[in-house]
Amino acid sequence: DIVMTQTPLSLSVTPGQPASISCKSSQSLLHSDGNTYLYWYLQKPGQPPQLLIYEVSNRFSGVPDRFSGSGSGTDFTLKISRVEAEDVGVYYCMQSIQLPTFGQGTRLEIK
Amino acid sequence: EVQLLESGGGLVQPGGSLRLSCAASGFTFSGYAMNWVRQAPGKGLEWVSAISGSGNSTYYADSVKGRFTISRDNSKNTLYLQMNSLRVEDTAVYYCASGVYGGFGNWGQGTLVTVSS
Repeated sequence: DIVMTQTPLSLSVTPGQPASISCKSSQSLLHSDGNTYLYWYLQKPGQPPQLLIYEVSNRFSGVPDRFSGSGSGTDFTLKISRVEAEDVGVYYCMQSIQLPTFGQGTRLEIK
Repeated sequence: EVQLLESGGGLVQPGGSLRLSCAASGFTFSGYAMNWVRQAPGKGLEWVSAISGSGNSTYYADSVKGRFTISRDNSKNTLYLQMNSLRVEDTAVYYCASGVYGGFGNWGQGTLVTVSS
């Protein structure tokens, strides 16, 4: 299985400030088809997860442009340019180049 | 609007069985792979199983292989998860999720399965 490791596991951010979460995979997520199968989800309190970013850097429908994803191979980053109160929750990275596995989650709270 | 509505959760004794359902609407169900993802209380996300749009291909996490069976009825726009030989560690909220771009684009609200004596 591919192991996904997120850092930090928690962060506290002042509204309007940026935030960044790292995700590292135990194997490369670059497929022979040219795609890199790395995703980011946000689970807000009491809600199911929602897809934010697909294939490293593509925002899913309706996702604000303050969210951006980057990276390649085994190292990936989710950035929030200016954190808002509604961004509170747990962020997960996930790979699907093999059977899907998730990172442990990063809890974001507002200062 | 895409909607996924899970049902069938509940309390079951270890070794027992349950069948979960996920009713889909708002999209062409047969055109999408579907997945089950679970979340134990206070824990992270764990992918459980997937099925292709046609139903011809199925995939399972090692933790459930041989005990759970995923299926779908495209005429009823419904996804199923038959869970046998349930264990205490299967206790979780089970979400169905549609496959998109290789990830999970839409999620249901989840149904709670509790395995306890």
